[in-house]
Amino acid sequence: QVQLLQSGAEVKKPGSSVKVSCRPSGGTFNTYVINWVRQAPGQGFEWVGGSIPIAPQKFQGRVRITTDASTNTAFMELTSLTSEDTAMYYCVTDTRAKVRGRGGFDTWGQGTMVIVS
Amino acid sequence: SYVVTQAPSVSVAPGKTARITCGGDNIGSRSVHWSQQKPGQAPVLLIYYDTARPSGISERFSGSNSGNTATLIINTVEAGDEADYYCQVWDSRTGHVFGGGTRLTVL
Repeated sequence: QVQLLQSGAEVKKPGSSVKVSCRPSGGTFNTYVINWVRQAPGQGFEWVGGSIPIAPQKFQGRVRITTDASTNTAFMELTSLTSEDTAMYYCVTDTRAKVRGRGGFDTWGQGTMVIVS
Repeated sequence: SYVVTQAPSVSVAPGKTARITCGGDNIGSRSVHWSQQKPGQAPVLLIYYDTARPSGISERFSGSNSGNTATLIINTVEAGDEADYYCQVWDSRTGHVFGGGTRLTVL
């Protein structure tokens, strides 16, 4: 079963950017579609985007999701950070989906805490 | 944009049945997925496509979806079920949409 391994915690200044990585163990990104979800402290989940041809309006122009096939790594870059971007960021995938990238998230990375301060 | 709504909290006595709802416009025409999150942990998928249960998930968890309400049902509630529960749906315009989450308290 695939596991998703994320990069470590980050502390960033307001106005800067952060780039979080996600690498699957036990598979390649040809097999899975990666989405990114965040959870602010004490709050619910918010979809940030994914390797699918649709993006949440809230993050359009500010989030960039890429994949490096040579290293089998996915990246989520968020720019123009504010304190409201302080959250745990998860890469996720849906191995049981009828349409990859659009199903329930059954595999989660360990999370990357991003603090903007 | 599509919105789904959950009650912030539900309380239930041990051994009873908990029902956690997810409301949305004609949500019965969509597929709903349910996850459980315990403190300090990543979520675990409990139910997908309204009623399917991943291997390893207790049969005490089940789901239904009709009209404007999807429901996660937890039979014979145990103290270990105390957690936050989230519904998730896909909308072709909005993308992935999450409910605000329901905290289940076992009395």
